[in-house]
Amino acid sequence: DAKTTQPPSMDCAEGRAANLPCNHSTISGNEYVYWYRQIHSQGPQYIIHGLKNNETNEMASLIITEDRKSSTLILPHATLRDTAVYYCIVRVGGGGADGLTFGKGTHLIIQP
Amino acid sequence: DTEVTQTPKHLVMGMTNKKSLKCEQHMGHRAMYWYKQKAKKPPELMFVYSYEKLSINESVPSRFSPECPNSSLLNLHLHALQPEDSALYLCASSRTGGAGYGYTFGSGTRLTVV
Repeated sequence: DAKTTQPPSMDCAEGRAANLPCNHSTISGNEYVYWYRQIHSQGPQYIIHGLKNNETNEMASLIITEDRKSSTLILPHATLRDTAVYYCIVRVGGGGADGLTFGKGTHLIIQP
Repeated sequence: DTEVTQTPKHLVMGMTNKKSLKCEQHMGHRAMYWYKQKAKKPPELMFVYSYEKLSINESVPSRFSPECPNSSLLNLHLHALQPEDSALYLCASSRTGGAGYGYTFGSGTRLTVV
């Protein structure tokens, strides 16, 4: 799986959009970008994933650059409950039952 | 049912004790996982079970012994642990196709070894 680089921490004001970057410059053509988050003392939770195109669901939007070497997770209207560690993971879509590999992630703190 | 249930939520054990962590899911997932997470660190994969057979052991010490009695249940047996084994132990499940979005995690067991 390709390596990812994320800033260790970020702050965002409540009600504003939170933009979390992820660098994955060695991504392969068959690898997807996945985002999970972990709220304190809970298990990780799936947010969104994508291959080439931008994606949106009820939780977030995912913007992937045209060269696919980086991406941005957007939480459009951040709330205090969005304070969590956000993990960007790159792996083959049908990679089999081999587990997810977590990097250090970004600790997003939403300020009131 | 779309949850992974882990019991107990908290466990304190002595270094000579034997205890077990339990994980249960009823989503029909045939892959189950144990992760270990130390404070302020990302989760680290310990074991993978696929169709009730151990498929990956990430060089975990033998004092941790996993067991998958059936497709819905995963246990982690603990014996002669050390204080440095204190951590949050997370269980997860997924379909064996392994698409990265399909992982469901439990809330974990917070283990303290004294």
